[in-house]
Amino acid sequence: NAGVTQTPKFRVLKTGQSMTLLCAQDMNHEYMYWYRQDPGMGLRLIHYSVGEGTTAKGEVPDGYNVSRLKKQNFLLGLESAAPSQTSVYFCASSPLVGAEAFFGQGTRLTVV
Amino acid sequence: GEDVEQSLFLSVREGDSSVINCTYTDSSSTYLYWYKQEPGAGLQLLTYIFSNMDMKQDQRLTVLLNKKDKHLSLRIADTQTGDSAIYFCAERENQAGTALIFGKGTTLSVSS
Repeated sequence: NAGVTQTPKFRVLKTGQSMTLLCAQDMNHEYMYWYRQDPGMGLRLIHYSVGEGTTAKGEVPDGYNVSRLKKQNFLLGLESAAPSQTSVYFCASSPLVGAEAFFGQGTRLTVV
Repeated sequence: GEDVEQSLFLSVREGDSSVINCTYTDSSSTYLYWYKQEPGAGLQLLTYIFSNMDMKQDQRLTVLLNKKDKHLSLRIADTQTGDSAIYFCAERENQAGTALIFGKGTTLSVSS
């Protein structure tokens, strides 16, 4: 019973490099989310999706893009990484509005 | 916009009760949540409360909701060292209700 799986778990990037973080859920959830967690800042919503083929901006979307081509996957892309994007990234999914959100284990990204 | 406020740190002795407080701004929130994050892990839902309830009890956990003051609290009875973690209060985003808005988290430290 995998739940929400994020890959990779750790990554170090150089400034200007690009990468994609993958989130996969096997619970057939409609809603998926990407958050970043920074010390003293809690979790801030980057982008979210309310279903396959849809995406929407959250609180801190700049510098990130997302895609939801398949219901079970939600990809977070960084086109040109910056040190300010050093953070721990969490993906989450939920079946309905108001329902419990299930979180992945996080991806620790360092941009040097 | 929506905002969720929490105190950042709480330190208690093993066996004492812990009370973690949270204030929120969106009076239309229908669900309010408490999540727990252990070191190096993702977030796990501890409990939630519907806005038409004043109190919810679940084993050692008691959630109190004061809608008039927009105040939510989590009481942990007989706190154990395994309760040491970061606790996040969260509310549903107002308009679409699709995303969770988190507080900055309260770090609970339990000493033996």
